[in-house]
Amino acid sequence: DQQVKQNSPSLSVQEGRISILNCDYTNSMFDYFLWYKKYPAEGPTFLISISSIKDKNEDGRFTVFLNKSAKHLSLHIVPSQPGDSAVYFCAANPNSGAGSYQLTFGKGTKLSVIP
Amino acid sequence: NAGVMQNPRHLVRRRGQEARLRCSPMKGHSHVYWYRQLPEEGLKFMVYLQKENIIDESGMPKERFSAEFPKEGPSILRIQQVVRGDSAAYFCASSGQIQKNIQYFGAGTRLSVL
Repeated sequence: DQQVKQNSPSLSVQEGRISILNCDYTNSMFDYFLWYKKYPAEGPTFLISISSIKDKNEDGRFTVFLNKSAKHLSLHIVPSQPGDSAVYFCAANPNSGAGSYQLTFGKGTKLSVIP
Repeated sequence: NAGVMQNPRHLVRRRGQEARLRCSPMKGHSHVYWYRQLPEEGLKFMVYLQKENIIDESGMPKERFSAEFPKEGPSILRIQQVVRGDSAAYFCASSGQIQKNIQYFGAGTRLSVL
């Protein structure tokens, strides 16, 4: 049972345009969401996160939007740069009252930014 | 380097041998997590530890796998009697006491079982 879903395995975007990566989740216990970027043979790098009490968080070129009623979040990258080419993972954390902060990951979306 | 350090980066074992993977958390972090990534898959949670305590091992296979985070030294993920299906990338992450939700990852250990 996949609780975090990234339905697009890959995405190609022209340099300078907007990249939009999508993520859906099913578990209502999730209340904190994170995006990670991963290059081959490296560990995931934390990009940006959002708490369920917010609907938007922005950090430079990266913005994450959360639609709690739809159980959907998205990562926007504007403008996209060739160095953004990587696999992007969406991850979710359960309510901290559960006692554990284990992350549940989607399968990732491979972003290719074309110069 | 104040990041999460994992070693070795690559580990080759024959079936039936033991694998030991080490992780030193980011400076000041006391929460350690281990994840496994199979090819073409996302990362799957295995275990969450604090110093000398296992907090959540709900993702650990019931047999052959164990983890510890002693008072002194790195966290160790130990796999006994490895099988080919254990071949994967194993990632360690750490988080601090204040921002427990945000985990920072090491570069991983790639285990190959021959």
